[in-house]
Amino acid sequence: DAGVTQSPTHLIKTRGQQVTLRCSPKSGHDTVSWYQQALGQGPQFIFQYYEEEERQRGNFPDRFSGHQFPNYSSELNVNALLLGDSALYLCASSLGGLNTEAFFGQGTRLTVV
Amino acid sequence: SQQGEEDPQALSIQEGENATMNCSYKTSINNLQWYRQNSGRGLVHLILIRSNEREKHSGRLRVTLDTSKKSSSLLITASRAADTASYFCATDKAAGNKLTFGGGTRVLVKP
Repeated sequence: DAGVTQSPTHLIKTRGQQVTLRCSPKSGHDTVSWYQQALGQGPQFIFQYYEEEERQRGNFPDRFSGHQFPNYSSELNVNALLLGDSALYLCASSLGGLNTEAFFGQGTRLTVV
Repeated sequence: SQQGEEDPQALSIQEGENATMNCSYKTSINNLQWYRQNSGRGLVHLILIRSNEREKHSGRLRVTLDTSKKSSSLLITASRAADTASYFCATDKAAGNKLTFGGGTRVLVKP
């Protein structure tokens, strides 16, 4: 049973560029959440997708957008990258609306130069 | 902003000793989960405790929850070098809701 998979593992981008990160949820899970983790800090919630719609959103600018596909996989897009966007981006999957655990992928390390 | 705060921020112990870390949060919760993270990689789920539960065990892990004090503790017994990692607590306010994390406790287990 595959867990949560994210791609790519590492990424280097230049300021002003755009980036797309991808996530496949754990088998049987229908909800995908994205988190940003700066070095030395805890993860911060970006947004959550369920039934292909954004259900919740954290305190992140509109430069951060996402999408969920019918197979429940998801993408995180960040436009006009800033140096401060350098972080580990984590994807978590869960069963929507239920009291179950959230499982995380290995993350994508984004470096903006 | 972060809901929880872990205490201590860092912990160094010898292999075989117990490690205890605490998590405090600010608002009412539905569930509290503990995660482990090795060297800035993905989060590994350790244990989930519901707001109506007071204690839970999983292998060498023991988690307690005191909703009146808005706090939780994670005890790792008979620690091993492989337990070296950062440990985070995360809370949610409702089923399926977003997780709010604390800043983590960095644990070093010396062989």
